[in-house]
Amino acid sequence: GQNIDQPTEMTATEGAIVQINCTYQTSGFNGLFWYQQHAGEAPTFLSYNVLDGLEEKGRFSSFLSRSKGYSYLLLKELQMKDSASYLCAVRDSNYQLIWGAGTKLIIKP
Amino acid sequence: ETGVTQTPRHLVMGMTNKKSLKCEQHLGHNAMYWYKQSAKKPLELMFVYNFKEQTENNSVPSRFSPECPNSSHLFLHLHTLQPEDSALYLCASSQVYEGPGELFFGEGSRLTVL
Repeated sequence: GQNIDQPTEMTATEGAIVQINCTYQTSGFNGLFWYQQHAGEAPTFLSYNVLDGLEEKGRFSSFLSRSKGYSYLLLKELQMKDSASYLCAVRDSNYQLIWGAGTKLIIKP
Repeated sequence: ETGVTQTPRHLVMGMTNKKSLKCEQHLGHNAMYWYKQSAKKPLELMFVYNFKEQTENNSVPSRFSPECPNSSHLFLHLHTLQPEDSALYLCASSQVYEGPGELFFGEGSRLTVL
């Protein structure tokens, strides 16, 4: 079957760096997405990786290794507003999105 | 503001009621989706409309009935629901076959079935 694994919850300190990992086993691969979802709000698109390597967008970066079935989202200079759930999703060979259960990130002062 | 609007934001209904959720997208996208989000579980795709044609129905119970009258509007009609159907229902849109085709989500409709 198809599966996305990511940690359920992580805690980090304001101003620090945190890495959220995502591993996947899917039928084919057509891209990996990261979304951010604040409590009670809509998920919003953060990043898209289809080739191996690092994509940087301001304080957020996303890395992909297709051979390892692995991605991570790196958040730098953490701010309190980064407290949210982070969802990893992979598009398979049928162009279906397979979702992880999300990682709840708690930022402490 | 994501460009996708859902109403109502909250809905409480009994198991014998009939209600509808509404979604409207202002982004000119060519695909719309209904997802179910339950606590600590992955998003579950319920229905996809691609160019106004329903292309997916992932074994969703018949008590959920989608309607897509045009490429900007999507409805989810609900009847004789069960308490386990209580969840957050998310509408999304995307532009398929162009770029990454990321999803734009609405704020969701929080459904409670008594």
